[in-house]
Amino acid sequence: AQSVTQPDIHITVSEGASLELRCNYSYGATPYLFWYVQSPGQGLQLLLKYFSGDTLVQGIKGFEAEFKRSQSSFNLRKPSVHWSDAAEYFCAVGGLVGSARQLTFGSGTQLTVLP
Amino acid sequence: GAVVSQHPSWVICKSGTSVKIECRSLDFQATTMFWYRQFPKQSLMLMATSNEGSKATYEQGVEKDKFLINHASLTLSTLTVTSAHPEDSSFYICSARERNTEAFFGQGTRLTVV
Repeated sequence: AQSVTQPDIHITVSEGASLELRCNYSYGATPYLFWYVQSPGQGLQLLLKYFSGDTLVQGIKGFEAEFKRSQSSFNLRKPSVHWSDAAEYFCAVGGLVGSARQLTFGSGTQLTVLP
Repeated sequence: GAVVSQHPSWVICKSGTSVKIECRSLDFQATTMFWYRQFPKQSLMLMATSNEGSKATYEQGVEKDKFLINHASLTLSTLTVTSAHPEDSSFYICSARERNTEAFFGQGTRLTVV
C-alpha cells in the first residue's frame, strides 16, 4: 500500500528565511509525487510534480522539490519565504498517470510566516 | 491549467435534509472524478472514485447510500449527502482528470449541518 509521511505538523519561519518541508513516501513502484498548497477554506493548488527525469523539479511561486529515491523523500524547498506563503502544504503520491489509482496524501504541514 | 469548479462553496442545511454538491470540469472531459472529505486540521481522505457512466467505487467505511455519487456526463459529477447529520459537517473536495493526465482539484465545499 502507498503512504506518505509529513513529519512536521507545523513549521514557523521568518519572512525571507529559507524553507524546507519534509515528505517521505512508501510506494511499490515508480512513484508519481506531488506537492499541493491549500489556503484556509480553499481547494488545493498544485505547486509541482515529479513523474520522471530530472530529480530536481521547479514549481510555481519559487518552490522546488528534489526526488531522492534512496531516501524515499520528496522535500519541498524555497530559498526565501514570503508572508503570502503561509498555508497548509500537502505532499501526495500516486500511481501511473494513466491509471485510475488515486492520490494518497500526507497529513499536511502548516506553515506560519513571521514578519 | 485545467479548471475544476465546485458548487456551492459553502452550504448550511438542517439535520435530516439532503444536500447536493456539484463538480464540473470546465475545459476538459473528466473521465474520472474523485471525492474527498477533509476534517479540520487534517488531510484529505478519499471517499470514492467515479468513472463517467459507471457506478462509483467507494472506499472502505464510506456509506454509499449516504453519499450518493453520480457521474452522468464527462463534465459533471455530483455528491449528494442524504439525511445529513451534524457529524457530516466537513469540507468536501472533488478532483477530476482526463484520461492519461493528472487530476485537478475544485475549490471545495464547506458543509455545515445544524
